[in-house]
Amino acid sequence: GAVVSQHPSRVICKSGTSVKIECRSLDFQATTMFWYRQFPKQSLMLMATSNEGSKATYEQGVEKDKFLINHASLTLSTLTVTSAHPEDSSFYICSAVAGTAKNIQYFGAGTRLSVL
Amino acid sequence: RKEVEQDPGPFNVPEGATVAFNCTYSNSASQSFFWYRQDCRKEPKLLMSVYSSGNEDGRFTAQLNRASQYISLLIRDSKLSDSATYLCVVNRVGNQFYFGTGTSLTVIP
Repeated sequence: GAVVSQHPSRVICKSGTSVKIECRSLDFQATTMFWYRQFPKQSLMLMATSNEGSKATYEQGVEKDKFLINHASLTLSTLTVTSAHPEDSSFYICSAVAGTAKNIQYFGAGTRLSVL
Repeated sequence: RKEVEQDPGPFNVPEGATVAFNCTYSNSASQSFFWYRQDCRKEPKLLMSVYSSGNEDGRFTAQLNRASQYISLLIRDSKLSDSATYLCVVNRVGNQFYFGTGTSLTVIP
């Protein structure tokens, strides 16, 4: 299957720090990438849909100024958690769709963020 | 009503057992259907796509019933390594994906 690389896999930072997470599609072009957040023992929650060359579409309740998304190329989307606070600690996962025909999402390995 | 509903379980089954999960979806315009597997503290991984004609991959069989708007996953001869959370995912037109909350499976020795 298609490969999606997400980096870093683990971040521990102080409150007030901004954290940048990268999501790359390694062997295909992804016009659309998704960003999810998952709290322990809960299901994936879609945060935003990232489209190459345009502004991301955020889900209701997700602050766009808090979670900055940039999708500058067909293989890279970034999520920046600005001024992170302990309540932002979570598992952040990106995914990319490998072509509209199959509509299959391939996920990155996730980033575990811990804000102290 | 939620777009996709799954029984969260947990399902605790002995090794070698057959277990089935169902997932219902609310929108008849849904086009593509998938089962993903998610291990604890890991990302979801595609297990199989689900086709109208039903499809099988080894011990795993997926079925789609459009009339009743549900999909199912059957696991035969359960292995310890099958323990995971199984996510039902439904796709509508374009990039609209809807996830179930997941069904937790534990296979017991």
